[in-house]
Amino acid sequence: ETGVTQSPTHLIKTRGQQVTLRCSSQSGHNTVSWYQQALGQGPQFIFQYYREEENGRGNFPPRFSGLQFPNYSSELNVNALELDDSALYLCASSLDQGRGETQYFGPGTRLLVL
Amino acid sequence: AQSVTQLDSQVPVFEEAPVELRCNYSSSVSVYLFWYVQYPNQGLQLLLKYLSGSTLVKGINGFEAEFNKSQTSFHLRKPSVHISDTAEYFCAVSDGGATNKLIFGTGTLLAVQP
Repeated sequence: ETGVTQSPTHLIKTRGQQVTLRCSSQSGHNTVSWYQQALGQGPQFIFQYYREEENGRGNFPPRFSGLQFPNYSSELNVNALELDDSALYLCASSLDQGRGETQYFGPGTRLLVL
Repeated sequence: AQSVTQLDSQVPVFEEAPVELRCNYSSSVSVYLFWYVQYPNQGLQLLLKYLSGSTLVKGINGFEAEFNKSQTSFHLRKPSVHISDTAEYFCAVSDGGATNKLIFGTGTLLAVQP
């Protein structure tokens, strides 16, 4: 069984650019959540997708957007990059959106904005 | 609003000694509690979770945690640590709502010394 995978592993962008991060969920999982982990901090919830629909959003501006595809893989898009967007972006998939469902995390994409 | 407090940013301990990593949460509703471990340059791996039932939860790698509702705590313990346990440990809470989003603490670095 393949776990959650993310691409790319590392990325360097300049302020004002746009970036797309990708996530393949674990087999059989229909729910994908994205988190931002700044250096020395715990992950913060960005949003969640369930069966191709956004199913909740954290305290992030609209320039953070996402998609989920019919195969339940997902993308995170960030427009107009700011220096503070430098972080590890984690994708997590779960079997369902239900209560207490375990979220399985990928290795993350480390984004550096210069 | 829910929140998680991990009082210790770093816990140094000698190999084969016992360890306790502290976690306190704040919530007005029933919660689900999780402990995740993050090894350097990797994503998060679930150690254990509490949903309901027995307050003592056993996880992987010899770790266990005890849910204490009156003290709103979910401390993580291991009777004898190994060098390989050196990592960042995150406590997280979920209210099991529509998104089942996780709210993380700031993490505790467990530094095991020989």
